[in-house]
Amino acid sequence: AQKVTQAQTEISVVEKEDVTLDCVYETRDTTYYLFWYKQPPSGELVFLIRRNSFDEQNEISGRYSWNFQKSTSSFNFTITASQVVDSAVYFCALSEPKRPGRRALTFGSGTRLQVQP
Amino acid sequence: ETGVTQTPRHLVMGMTNKKSLKCEQHLGHNAMYWYKQSAKKPLELMFVYSLEERVENNSVPSRFSPECPNSSHLFLHLHTLQPEDSALYLCASSLKGLAGTTDTQYFGPGTRLTVL
Repeated sequence: AQKVTQAQTEISVVEKEDVTLDCVYETRDTTYYLFWYKQPPSGELVFLIRRNSFDEQNEISGRYSWNFQKSTSSFNFTITASQVVDSAVYFCALSEPKRPGRRALTFGSGTRLQVQP
Repeated sequence: ETGVTQTPRHLVMGMTNKKSLKCEQHLGHNAMYWYKQSAKKPLELMFVYSLEERVENNSVPSRFSPECPNSSHLFLHLHTLQPEDSALYLCASSLKGLAGTTDTQYFGPGTRLTVL
């Protein structure tokens, strides 16, 4: 079973629309970390956010917001008033620090977001 | 330079060639990673180096050989590769690599490798 599932392969929106990228994870650990990365066409993975399993407070950073729900094992990412520069592939990732061989990141398959002008 | 740099950015090689990918981090980190990103598969970890240990994904073929001479430099030596090894190879670094802790990983721009 996939540890990190991003069911949306590709999303296309028009500029200024809000868009939510879904991420569902699977772990038996009580201590874990969740991440979101952005990969623009240049290829570099850009870190967006890191959240530990004990902090369920939602976070907002400018037009970006994250909704962490332990009850549904989800860590969704919303972009408000999307812009063309938001076009990229977005990856959700899980780190399980107490599990041997899993201290590095386990990535989802990514969601390609296309923002049309 | 700042952040994580990788050279070359693009590499085309034949199956009999030997080449090396280079990664350098300017963040004062102590752990470095190689990831492989194929067209139709999720990012997968190949190797981790930290001050304390080297960890490798057992599914990585021996034709990929990492080298970490110090905490700032990481190499991936390539020999007798196959066409299916064509992918984007990403390097990352993090502050610590100690068991039981985890830090944010910062990535380089990647090397786009094509094996003919």
